[in-house]
Amino acid sequence: DTGVSQDPRHKITKRGQNVTFRCDPISEHNRLYWYRQTLGQGPEFLTYFQNEAQLEKSRLLSDRFSAERPKGSFSTLEIQRTEQGDSAMYLCASSDPGATNEKLFFGSGTQLSVL
Amino acid sequence: AQSVTQLGSHVSVSEGALVLLRCNYSSSVPPYLFWYVQYPNQGLQLLLKYTTGATLVKGINGFEAEFKKSETSFHLTKPSAHMSDAAEYFCAVSPRGGKLQFGAGTQVVVTP
Repeated sequence: DTGVSQDPRHKITKRGQNVTFRCDPISEHNRLYWYRQTLGQGPEFLTYFQNEAQLEKSRLLSDRFSAERPKGSFSTLEIQRTEQGDSAMYLCASSDPGATNEKLFFGSGTQLSVL
Repeated sequence: AQSVTQLGSHVSVSEGALVLLRCNYSSSVPPYLFWYVQYPNQGLQLLLKYTTGATLVKGINGFEAEFKKSETSFHLTKPSAHMSDAAEYFCAVSPRGGKLQFGAGTQVVVTP
């Protein structure tokens, strides 16, 4: 399977706990994006990487959020001191910017519930 | 700066009827435009995209969309709805590829 995979699919945590999500992009894709989607809304951009470099971060990404892509392959998104407002679907996508008509391929997401 | 407006958060269509989902955008540069579909508990799947050239774009599952620059619109249509078309549909814009700005989505319900 060469799709984008995300782990875990679901995460339930208590307020104040830290959580970490993982995204494995399509292997030849050097761009990786994180989005957040709340109920009834479209996905909102959080951040993206070109290889291991984090090139852009949204203002939505508070200092409790940190994303890494240490070797330019998989990426992790950590949320510290979770709040109920962090409950959302976290989507990862990857792309090959060198391809004609670059397009994003999305994973199935990690559904976070903060109690 | 870019933004996307999808008119109608919910659309109900009869099986076999026309599906029309409306999308208007604003962009400071000539945009790339996209329609994605999301089935329950799944990620987003690309239906079609417009970059340059022909303004009528055909996608998967019988969908098509027309880019109208004068109206800043990119409406999605399908001549005959099928039960399997029930899903949420998102219009998105990007400045020449890469990061996408999504609309709020339109939930499509198909009735027998």
